[in-house]
Amino acid sequence: SQQGEEDPQALSIQEGENATMNCSYKTSINNLQWYRQNSGRGLVHLILIRSNEREKHSGRLRVTLDTSKKSSSLLITASRAADTASYFCATARYQTGANNLFFGTGTRLTVIP
Amino acid sequence: DVKVTQSSRYLVKRTGEKVFLECVQDMDHENMFWYRQDPGLGLRLIYFSYDVKMKEKGDIPEGYSVSREKKERFSLILESASTNQTSMYLCASSFSGLGSNQPQHFGDGTRLSIL
Repeated sequence: SQQGEEDPQALSIQEGENATMNCSYKTSINNLQWYRQNSGRGLVHLILIRSNEREKHSGRLRVTLDTSKKSSSLLITASRAADTASYFCATARYQTGANNLFFGTGTRLTVIP
Repeated sequence: DVKVTQSSRYLVKRTGEKVFLECVQDMDHENMFWYRQDPGLGLRLIYFSYDVKMKEKGDIPEGYSVSREKKERFSLILESASTNQTSMYLCASSFSGLGSNQPQHFGDGTRLSIL
């Protein structure tokens, strides 16, 4: 399976601290994406990093990709209570005409005010 | 902004019923997807479609079928609902393109309970 696996499964931090989540996958990828899900809602796309990129930034988000280790990390700096959510990595696969995604099981982040 | 709308947020049905879950997107996306999400299992792909009237099985298609008669609408059908189909169902859409790096846009989900 190409499914991404997030680590840790759950993370609890104080507001203002940084949060780091890791993702490992098994086979070569086209790109890797990170998504966020608030409780009871759908997923929201955060950031996409291509296989030939090593680092990408978007606001308080920083994503790294190490294709030699088949791993990625998502760093949220200066966390806020509103960052409380589940975060998923997804690796892109091509399957019969569509770019499908393998999703991991997610990291549940709790930011304590 | 892309909007993916699922017809119901919560749905309760009985075992054996035929259940329809509807999804509409407003961005002219070629690809549409149905997932189910269960605790500890993450998102699992049920079916997807890359064009009108086209459909492909995902990882867990058993007990489900789909319909895509119009580009903007993708329906998931539970032919004869069973209790193990109680789950959160998520619809998503994306642009197509061979080798493209396109994000998926999700609806808010339908929490389906089968009694």
